[in-house]
Amino acid sequence: GAVVSQHPSRVICKSGTSVKIECRSLDFQATTMFWYRQFPKKSLMLMATSNEGSKATYEQGVEKDKFLINHASLTLSTLTVTSAHPEDSSFYICSARGGRGGDNEQFFGPGTRLTVL
Amino acid sequence: GQNIDQPTEMTATEGAIVQINCTYQTSGFNGLFWYQQHAGEAPTFLSYNVLDGLEEKGRFSSFLSRSKGYSYLLLKELQMKDSASYLCAVSDSNYQLIWGAGTKLIIKP
Repeated sequence: GAVVSQHPSRVICKSGTSVKIECRSLDFQATTMFWYRQFPKKSLMLMATSNEGSKATYEQGVEKDKFLINHASLTLSTLTVTSAHPEDSSFYICSARGGRGGDNEQFFGPGTRLTVL
Repeated sequence: GQNIDQPTEMTATEGAIVQINCTYQTSGFNGLFWYQQHAGEAPTFLSYNVLDGLEEKGRFSSFLSRSKGYSYLLLKELQMKDSASYLCAVSDSNYQLIWGAGTKLIIKP
């Protein structure tokens, strides 16, 4: 149990386009989902926290108009990178909290590698 | 502020034992996690400690001392596939994970 999927796993897009990344908890209801960004050889950087049915809470320095997060249900959250630029190229990872871990453990999706040309 | 410290890189020999330390200062404490992350992949869960002491799980063990703000991950009988980054993360008073920068472990034959 406690499986999180992410789609797509890889995406290459042109500068100026928007990209949507989906994060799904497959066998549990995720009360909270987190979106992280990771640069090469760096640790995870929390971008935002989202609770189902409410607006996401963005970390300082993260542009909410550029990184749109929608948490429409207890099993799905989406991150849309709007008007993507090459500097947005990164590894984006979602995690979900809930299930057997209760309020504590986070279960990670496999990540999405975004390359903006 | 909140701070998690762990060594940037460590090198060990196949078959040996290695200990990766993590010290933390956080606002509240609801447990400490260790994750393994191979290059290009998402982190995978290794261990969770919320009480003082040692938790053993196969070749991996994790230790916690809350009074010292200290944890370590012990890896025994090292295998080449253990080459990865090891991330220490603390769950704070809001159950939010505060991440260390990770320790890159290099295993040599």
